[in-house]
Amino acid sequence: AQSVAQPEDQVNVAEGNPLTVKCTYSVSGNPYLFWYVQYPNRGLQFLLKYITGDNLVKGSYGFEAEFNKSQTSFHLKKPSALVSDSALYFCAVRDGDYKLSFGAGTTVTVRA
Amino acid sequence: DTGVSQDPRHKITKRGQNVTFRCDPISEHNRLYWYRQTLGQGPEFLTYFQNEAQLEKSRLLSDRFSAERPKGSFSTLEIQRTEQGDSAMYLCASSSGLAKYQETQYFGPGTRLLVL
Repeated sequence: AQSVAQPEDQVNVAEGNPLTVKCTYSVSGNPYLFWYVQYPNRGLQFLLKYITGDNLVKGSYGFEAEFNKSQTSFHLKKPSALVSDSALYFCAVRDGDYKLSFGAGTTVTVRA
Repeated sequence: DTGVSQDPRHKITKRGQNVTFRCDPISEHNRLYWYRQTLGQGPEFLTYFQNEAQLEKSRLLSDRFSAERPKGSFSTLEIQRTEQGDSAMYLCASSSGLAKYQETQYFGPGTRLLVL
């Protein structure tokens, strides 16, 4: 089965500083990787995905992610964090035909 | 709003009661998924439909759980004889049925279930 791991439960950054949320993956075959964000008491919002091609994927709200095959990583990044980016972030991998397997999530807090 | 909608948003029930949740996918999306999310965890896959056919079920989906998508549009998830361990957020997602590598699942706001 495919899986992802998010090694950090929490990430704290100051507003305006770069934000990185880490994700590593374990797959057999080609990886299809996703990032979602969840605000309190809300569903998940899609940010971006990696299918194939460029290792740097650009997504919504100024986020991007870097796919690194040798390190089996797919880290989410934002050059300059905003207080409104404070949320719960999930990395996911396609497992089987269509279902997604999610990491445990990383809580991001951006302080003003 | 043309996103995925779920009803109700919140449900409180007593142990042993039956509950039913509804999901309306994005119009013309032919795949529909149910996930369960417990506190502090990522969503876990329960089941998915392509049109009206239920194609995969997780072993998490015990015989007390049943899901349907009778006309290939909205879906219902029923839990019979609820237990306190069923307390969770139940998330629905839909996707457009493109080739696998092009698929993106879009999630609804979820139904939060509390079993007393």
